[in-house]
Parts: sequence; C-alpha cells; structure tokens
Amino acid sequence: AQTVTQSQPEMSVQEAETVTLSCTYDTSESNYYLFWYKQPPSRQMILVIRQEAYKQQNATENRFSVNFQKAAKSFSLKISDSQLGDTAMYFCAFMKHEVYSGGGADGLTFGKGTHLIIQP
Amino acid sequence: DTGVSQDPRHKITKRGQNVTFRCDPISEHNRLYWYRQTLGQGPEFLTYFQNEAQLEKSRLLSDRFSAERPKGSFSTLEIQRTEQGDSAMYLCASSPTWGGGYEQYFGPGTRLTVT
Repeated sequence: AQTVTQSQPEMSVQEAETVTLSCTYDTSESNYYLFWYKQPPSRQMILVIRQEAYKQQNATENRFSVNFQKAAKSFSLKISDSQLGDTAMYFCAFMKHEVYSGGGADGLTFGKGTHLIIQP
Repeated sequence: DTGVSQDPRHKITKRGQNVTFRCDPISEHNRLYWYRQTLGQGPEFLTYFQNEAQLEKSRLLSDRFSAERPKGSFSTLEIQRTEQGDSAMYLCASSPTWGGGYEQYFGPGTRLTVT
C-alpha cells in the first residue's frame, strides 16, 4: 500500500508571494502518477497539476509547478505570484498506473492536505 | 454541461436509518469512483467501477455499504443501518479511458450527518 504525507497543515503568505507546499510519499510501485488537487471552501475538488513518474521533467501549469524528486519520493508544489483565489485546501495524491487496464484505473491515495491562506 | 453531479447535496438522518446517494458522471466517462472525506482529512477511496463492473473495493467499505452502477451510467451508494461514524462528505469522481484515464473529475459531494 502507498502512503502520502503532507507535513504542513496550514500555510499563510501575502498576495503575490511565492509559496511551496511539500509532499512525500511511500510506494513500492515503479509506475505511478502524482497529483495536486485544490479544494476551495465549499467547492468541489479540481486538478491543479499532474506528474507521470516516468517523466523526469517537472510539470508546469501557468503559475503552478512541481519539484518531483523520484529517488527521494518527494513531490512539492510551487505557486508563483499567489492570488487571493488560490486560498484553498491543497491535497497531494498518488495513483498506481495499471498497465493492463490502459492506465489510470485505480483509486487515488490522498494526503491530509495543506490549508493555504493568501492574505491581501 | 456537464460536470459530475451528486444528489442530494446534504442529508441528515437518524442513526439506524438507511440512506442512498446518487452520482451522475460526465456522460462519456466510463470510470466512476466513490470516496469518503471526513473533517480535516483527505478523501479516502471506497470503490471503483468501470462501466457497470465494480472492480475494486476498499477495506473501508464495510458490509453496510453497497454501491451499484446498473447500466454503466449513474451510480448509487447505499449505507444501511447508519452509524454516527458514517458522518462525512461522500465524493464521486469520474474519468475517461482515453488519454491515460488518469484525471479524475470530482462532483460537489453529499454531506451526510448522522444524529
């Protein structure tokens, strides 16, 4: 079984600053995906960014980027130029890659989340 | 549109009663997942369907829980003889099989309160 650990229960930064959320995971799988999901207050969970474990290049989506260190089993999220709308719970998640079913056919394992507050 | 929808959004029930939740996935998605999220925690995987077949169930899914997806479209999650420990947000997600099928789209959830 895999585990996902987010060691920062809450973080607070000023608008326009850069913030990094940490995530570590433990698995014996060699093929897997990692994700960061955002859950705004009273709103549904949405995908922020994903990383395929076989790719060495770190994923980037606009102001969001990751630092994926496979050997260290670390997957941090960097948010640049933070905005008030970034205030939310952020969850790191792991999913095995199921080759025989075409990939991606598995439940997500989530960390406990980091509550990010962007101050004006 | 159409994103994942869930009904009801909120449910209050007395201990011992049965409850049923519904999830309508994105129409072309043939994979459907159920998760449970308690306060201050990340979602925990409960079960997964590919079309109408239930392919995986978590140990969290006790005998009081049953999920169905009879025609490979919408899904229901039933909890029998509810207990206070069942109070949680129940999330549904769907994903396609193309493009790796790894991106799960979540619904707004059903918040269950057992009194």
